Amino acid sequence: SQTIHQWPATLVQPVGSPLSLECTVEGTSNPNLYWYRQAAGRGLQLLFYSVGIGQISSEVPQNLSASRPQDRQFILSSKKLLLSDSGFYLCAWSGKANQPQHFGDGTRLSIL
Amino acid sequence: QKEVEQDPGPLSVPEGAIVSLNCTYSNSAFQYFMWYRQYSRKGPELLMYTYSSGNKEDGRFTAQVDKSSKYISLFIRDSQPSDSATYLCAMSGGANAGKSTFGDGTTLTVKP
Repeated sequence: SQTIHQWPATLVQPVGSPLSLECTVEGTSNPNLYWYRQAAGRGLQLLFYSVGIGQISSEVPQNLSASRPQDRQFILSSKKLLLSDSGFYLCAWSGKANQPQHFGDGTRLSIL
Repeated sequence: QKEVEQDPGPLSVPEGAIVSLNCTYSNSAFQYFMWYRQYSRKGPELLMYTYSSGNKEDGRFTAQVDKSSKYISLFIRDSQPSDSATYLCAMSGGANAGKSTFGDGTTLTVKP
């Protein structure tokens, strides 16, 4: 069966520091991969999605970037974190078109 | 106007009640409809996945889609305290087949 791993679960970072969040998927090949941010009590904001290695679509201009160095690995990065980058970050995968997405357990990021 | 509008809640019901959660949408190209359950500090978990109009039942859960009215519902029978969570609707189809559009979620509390 397929599983998705996301780490760390919680992260506290100072303003201006770099960020790297990693997500890996097991049990499937060539998945679509997604990064979302969820503000408290709010819906999901799609940040990036990828349909293949090296193929990244950015949904919202911001201080973050994403990379997909391997088929089942998706990384969310920032060179310098802002206070506004605080939030709950979720990685998800899906099969191809119109198949439902499956989420990891998220990373709660606090910026101090 | 958002493509997907979800009854905001919060919703509080006694144990054993029937719960109705609802979403409306504006994009007639949507053909795939999902319901997710999200516990606090966890990622969303796929509950139901349906295609086009009609009903789908899984245990105590029934998903209903009315494409003519652009309205979807999730019914929970014999609700339990363990059903207390935030429920998100999602849908996909049309030009953006690789992405899903999510509602903002309805928080449900089932009181013993």
